[in-house]
Amino acid sequence: EADIYQTPRYLVIGTGKKITLECSQTMGHDKMYWYQQDPGMELHLIHYSYGVNSTEKGDLSSESTVSRIRTEHFPLTLESARPSHTSQYLCASSEGGGQNYGYTFGSGTRLTVV
Amino acid sequence: AQRVTQPEKLLSVFKGAPVELKCNYSYSGSPELFWYVQYSRQRLQLLLRHISRESIKGFTADLNKGETSFHLKKPFAQEEDSAMYYCAPKAAGNKLTFGGGTRVLVKP
Repeated sequence: EADIYQTPRYLVIGTGKKITLECSQTMGHDKMYWYQQDPGMELHLIHYSYGVNSTEKGDLSSESTVSRIRTEHFPLTLESARPSHTSQYLCASSEGGGQNYGYTFGSGTRLTVV
Repeated sequence: AQRVTQPEKLLSVFKGAPVELKCNYSYSGSPELFWYVQYSRQRLQLLLRHISRESIKGFTADLNKGETSFHLKKPFAQEEDSAMYYCAPKAAGNKLTFGGGTRVLVKP
C-alpha cells in the first residue's frame, strides 16, 4: 500500500548516542519534510528536500542532519543526542508541481533522550 | 515574517452546537491555505484546502483575504469531531507553516 512509514515509533536513548530516524514513502513523491513538535506545541519545519541530492534547512534551527540519496528515503540523524532533542519528529511528503497539494504525514517518532 | 495564529487553544462545545475555529495569517503574496486534523492516536491528516472550496465531514473554511483569515466552521458538531485542528498556509516553495493548533472537545 502506498504510504509513508516512520521507524521507530518510540525511542529512548542515552545522551551522547548517535541515532537515525527513518522515513520512507512509497508514493513516488518528490518532496519530503521533517517537522519537530513538542507536546501541545506547534509543528516546526526543520528540514526539507525537493528531490534526490537536495536538502535544505527549515525555519527552526536543528542540530540534526538529513540525506536524500533515494527518492523514497529521507532519514534524519543526530550525531550526539542530548536531552534538549527530546521531542516528536514527523516526516511528510508531497507531490511536486502544482501548489494545491497537501502533505501526507507519517505516524511520527517520539524521541526521549535521557 | 510569515505567521499563522490560532487564538483558541481549546474549544469545548456540546454535540449539535456550531463550532468555529479561528485562523489568521500574515503572509506576503497569496498563500494556499489548508486545515489539518489529528484525531486521537491517529496521524496528522489533511482535512480540507481552500482552493477546492469543498465541504469535508460537514466542515467548511472561508478565506477572507481582506482580513487574512481562514476560519473553519461546522454548523452541528459531532462527538467524532473531537480532535486537534491545525491551520496551515503554504507559501512559495511548497512549505507548510502550522499554527499552534486548537483542541476541539465535543461533549455529549
